[in-house]
Amino acid sequence: EAGVAQSPRYKIIEKRQSVAFWCNPISGHATLYWYQQILGQGPKLLIQFQNNGVVDDSQLPKDRFSAERLKGVDSTLKIQPAKLEDSAVYLCASSRRGDSGNTIYFGEGSWLTVV
Amino acid sequence: GQQVMQIPQYQHVQEGEDFTTYCNSSTTLSNIQWYKQRPGGHPVFLIQLVKSGEVKKQKRLTFQFGEAKKNSSLHITATQTTDVGTYFCHINNAGNMLTFGGGTRLMVKP
Repeated sequence: EAGVAQSPRYKIIEKRQSVAFWCNPISGHATLYWYQQILGQGPKLLIQFQNNGVVDDSQLPKDRFSAERLKGVDSTLKIQPAKLEDSAVYLCASSRRGDSGNTIYFGEGSWLTVV
Repeated sequence: GQQVMQIPQYQHVQEGEDFTTYCNSSTTLSNIQWYKQRPGGHPVFLIQLVKSGEVKKQKRLTFQFGEAKKNSSLHITATQTTDVGTYFCHINNAGNMLTFGGGTRLMVKP
């Protein structure tokens, strides 16, 4: 079974520029998550999709971050404009369902450095 | 909001020593999961605990869920260098809020 695919793996941008990350979840997984992990901290949930609907985006900085999962499969996360504090690993993850107790499978992450 | 505290933040041990990390929640949990993240890697699922007082073992790892379902622990017996990494608890409370603990970074000296 193929895992969660993410691209790009690494990105360096200047502040105020924009960046987009792409994620393809495990086939058949209805739920897709985007996490932000700052060095030395635990992953913070940015947004959770169930198929193509948003379940939770309470921690997504909506003035600069946006995410979509139009066809209920792959997803993109965009940051525009980027700030220095956005430097982090952006982890995409998926699970069969979004309800309690589902194992979450993570991709390798997209490492963002904002300079 | 949902609060989860994980202690300690860091732990240095000599290879062969035991290690324990604790996860404490301010509210009753429906379940708790544990993940391991190797340096430079991504979190990988280890186990899920659901029942009050539940204990599960995976080789040298022992996971416990508190009777009140507000805390959990992960204990590693006789650590090895392959145990190096950060161990996270992941909680889902009754309101379906998904939160990772801050993690405990384990370093093992050979």
